[in-house]
Amino acid sequence: DAKTTQPPSMDCAEGRAANLPCNHSTISGNEYVYWYRQIHSQGPQYIIHGLKNNETNEMASLIITEDRKSSTLILPHATLRDTAVYYCIVHSAGNMLTFGGGTRLMVKP
Amino acid sequence: DTAVSQTPKYLVTQMGNDKSIKCEQNLGHDTMYWYKQDSKKFLKIMFSYNNKELIINETVPNRFSPKSPDKAHLNLHINSLELGDSAVYFCASSPLGNEQFFGPGTRLTVL
Repeated sequence: DAKTTQPPSMDCAEGRAANLPCNHSTISGNEYVYWYRQIHSQGPQYIIHGLKNNETNEMASLIITEDRKSSTLILPHATLRDTAVYYCIVHSAGNMLTFGGGTRLMVKP
Repeated sequence: DTAVSQTPKYLVTQMGNDKSIKCEQNLGHDTMYWYKQDSKKFLKIMFSYNNKELIINETVPNRFSPKSPDKAHLNLHINSLELGDSAVYFCASSPLGNEQFFGPGTRLTVL
């Protein structure tokens, strides 16, 4: 699976949108972009995934650039409970997930 | 209803002992996994297993072995525990190739 690059940490004000970037310049055609998060002392939680179209669910939106070399996870109205480490993973079906360092998002009041 | 459960939540043991961590999923998924998260918080895949195939991360010592009595369970057996085995171990499950659902983790401390 292709590698991803994420900023190690970000801050966001409560109630504002949190935009978490991810670079995956070596992504191949059959690889999806997955986002997970890990709240302190809990197991990772699936958020969203996409191949090339933008995706939205009840938790977040995923914006993938046209060349698929980068993506942005958007939490539209961040709350204190969204404070977590967010992992961007490029993954093809049948392969095991490889977690990187992720982005530590701190939502502040 | 707990989707993926692990027992015990905490495990403290002496070096050299053999221990097991149990994992159960009630989601009907075909594939289960074990991950290790060390003190630096890096999450590493250890095993991927369905009823047909076991995939082992080549960096995992053979002291670690997954055992699946049935499709809903994947237990992790660890022989001759070492200090470096101290970590949080997460079990996960998924329909093949899709998003994974993780358990709450088991914190293993080897003294």
